[in-house]
Amino acid sequence: GQSLEQPSEVTAVEGAIVQINCTYQTSGFYGLSWYQQHDGGAPTFLSYNALDGLEETGRFSSFLSRSDSYGYLLLQELQMKDSASYFCAVRDWAPTGGFKTIFGAGTRLFVKA
Amino acid sequence: GAVVSQHPSRVICKSGTSVKIECRSLDFQATTMFWYRQFPKQSLMLMATSNEGSKATYEQGVEKDKFLINHASLTLSTLTVTSAHPEDSSFYICSAMGEVSTDTQYFGPGTRLTVL
Repeated sequence: GQSLEQPSEVTAVEGAIVQINCTYQTSGFYGLSWYQQHDGGAPTFLSYNALDGLEETGRFSSFLSRSDSYGYLLLQELQMKDSASYFCAVRDWAPTGGFKTIFGAGTRLFVKA
Repeated sequence: GAVVSQHPSRVICKSGTSVKIECRSLDFQATTMFWYRQFPKQSLMLMATSNEGSKATYEQGVEKDKFLINHASLTLSTLTVTSAHPEDSSFYICSAMGEVSTDTQYFGPGTRLTVL
């Protein structure tokens, strides 16, 4: 089967650093993405890793290790507005052709003052 | 850039009626569009993938005759929930991927469907 594992909840204080881990088990792998979703809203794209290593975009960084089937999202200088759900997602090749994305269950991040 | 719109944002309908949801890419051509369903506080479940001009590819367990998808142009895909029932009530989200960047999916704002 295909599965992505990530923690259900994480709590951190404003200004701190938090890491959200994601391990995956999929039949194929073409990249790991991270999305942010606030309550009642649609997901917004944060990052995409196709190769091993760290990708940095402002306060957010994402890491991938394909040999370990593992990645993480790192959020620095946490702000209250970062309180949201964060989903990791794996791009896989669909049997009928074309890419499809499989989402993890999401991690709810609570940022406290 | 890369804006995706959905219409309507909310819809309430009676059981047995059909509802059409539109997904448009406003400033880019979407070669592929995805339709997701999301229950409260749960993850996104991919329902189907549609490529312009061809039939949609449905995920296992998704009824093709119930969830009709049409990707008529490079900027428009529609999802029609036929003969809706209360269990179809959910948050439906579309996303689009363009030719320029195939690494990124751009999501629409979602449609909240409530079937009475």
